[in-house]
Amino acid sequence: SQQGEEDPQALSIQEGENATMNCSYKTSINNLQWYRQNSGRGLVHLILIRSNEREKHSGRLRVTLDTSKKSSSLLITASRAADTASYFCATDLTGGGNKLTFGTGTQLKVEL
Amino acid sequence: GAVVSQHPSWVICKSGTSVKIECRSLDFQATTMFWYRQFPKQSLMLMATSNEGSKATYEQGVEKDKFLINHASLTLSTLTVTSAHPEDSSFYICSALSPGSDTQYFGPGTRLTVL
Repeated sequence: SQQGEEDPQALSIQEGENATMNCSYKTSINNLQWYRQNSGRGLVHLILIRSNEREKHSGRLRVTLDTSKKSSSLLITASRAADTASYFCATDLTGGGNKLTFGTGTQLKVEL
Repeated sequence: GAVVSQHPSWVICKSGTSVKIECRSLDFQATTMFWYRQFPKQSLMLMATSNEGSKATYEQGVEKDKFLINHASLTLSTLTVTSAHPEDSSFYICSALSPGSDTQYFGPGTRLTVL
């Protein structure tokens, strides 16, 4: 069953604006990962945040994790048209043997 | 970064035939690979965990006799969709677990269309 719910389902912004996507999950995790998927393509790993971490940065990406609320957010700053894609969070559940459970995804469209 | 390939990238087959999809880790050895299925505009659903040298572990609701998985080497896992039907049409994606890491690297996916 789906572990993560993402919100919003779809997001449309102008180039240069920031985009924030949220992910909620239900049970204990080892880590949470964010992936990007361009239409009809494979997944690109963006960032992994462990359960004992609260925030992580990678370039224009900022991820936060609140294990008390079982939620994470992905912030893309100064967005570009090339950021247009679907973004998924995926949880590596405690005792799950590295299996990932994917969220429902957010479709981001960045317009010029 | 680590590279995972899939072959073929797309395949069209007739109902009742079998289709084999290959997943290769190109620059690292992967004792564990995963197979996912993704229907249009939906998220990825894990089908099975493929472990080198042992039987695959299937998720609930996935028929192991229909989706045959073989992980014969540290760089290759195959998924065979047997007696394919139109409802098996989907995007199949594999991933390989990087050794000593929690990171999975994903292949580009295989689009299967069953007529």
